[in-house]
Amino acid sequence: GDSVTQMEGPVTLSEEAFLTINCTYTATGYPSLFWYVQYPGEGLQLLLKATKADDKGSNKGFEATYRKETTSFHLEKGSVQVSDSAVYFCALLNQGAQKLVFGQGTRLTINP
Amino acid sequence: EPEVTQTPSHQVTQMGQEVILRCVPISNHLYFYWYRQILGQKVEFLVSFYNNEISEKSEIFDDQFSVERPDGSNFTLKIRSTKLEDSAMYFCASSKEGVTAAGGYTFGSGTRLTVV
Repeated sequence: GDSVTQMEGPVTLSEEAFLTINCTYTATGYPSLFWYVQYPGEGLQLLLKATKADDKGSNKGFEATYRKETTSFHLEKGSVQVSDSAVYFCALLNQGAQKLVFGQGTRLTINP
Repeated sequence: EPEVTQTPSHQVTQMGQEVILRCVPISNHLYFYWYRQILGQKVEFLVSFYNNEISEKSEIFDDQFSVERPDGSNFTLKIRSTKLEDSAMYFCASSKEGVTAAGGYTFGSGTRLTVV
């Protein structure tokens, strides 16, 4: 079945550091890919998405490129801020499916 | 910005008791979902609901679980006889257009259920 694997957390960085959170997927067909973020005490929020190969999703300085050849959708940000501290979830939605398939989440902590 | 509201934020219940988790989706949304996350594990799909009926459910969603939209605004998840392994964070979500909006779900902040 479809699955998503994220890098293990927690991840702790200093402010202004470069961030990469790895995400790889297994799916039949051509899924859409997403990053969701959960800030403390809040719900899951869509951060960015890409619906086909080589698409780049971007939002709030975060980027991720849909790489079909490596079945990956790694999240990157050039300079993180303390306010980026949250849990990040990679997810896929396969064609014709009703449900999102999530990775296990990566907790990110940014220290000043 | 419209929100999906879930209550309570945290519920503790005795094993074997019934619990009802409540959600108020965004008012013009038509598709409703429940997901859960056991601590340290992945967020898992439970059920989707459209036009007053279940449209898809996972193998987790067995006879102990039921969903209802009793009054046109609330969307509830009932667990009939809770087990220890039901302890998890439960997320409600709603969507205006269902899967065609690929990722256009709005999630609530979750209810943490602890079964003791």
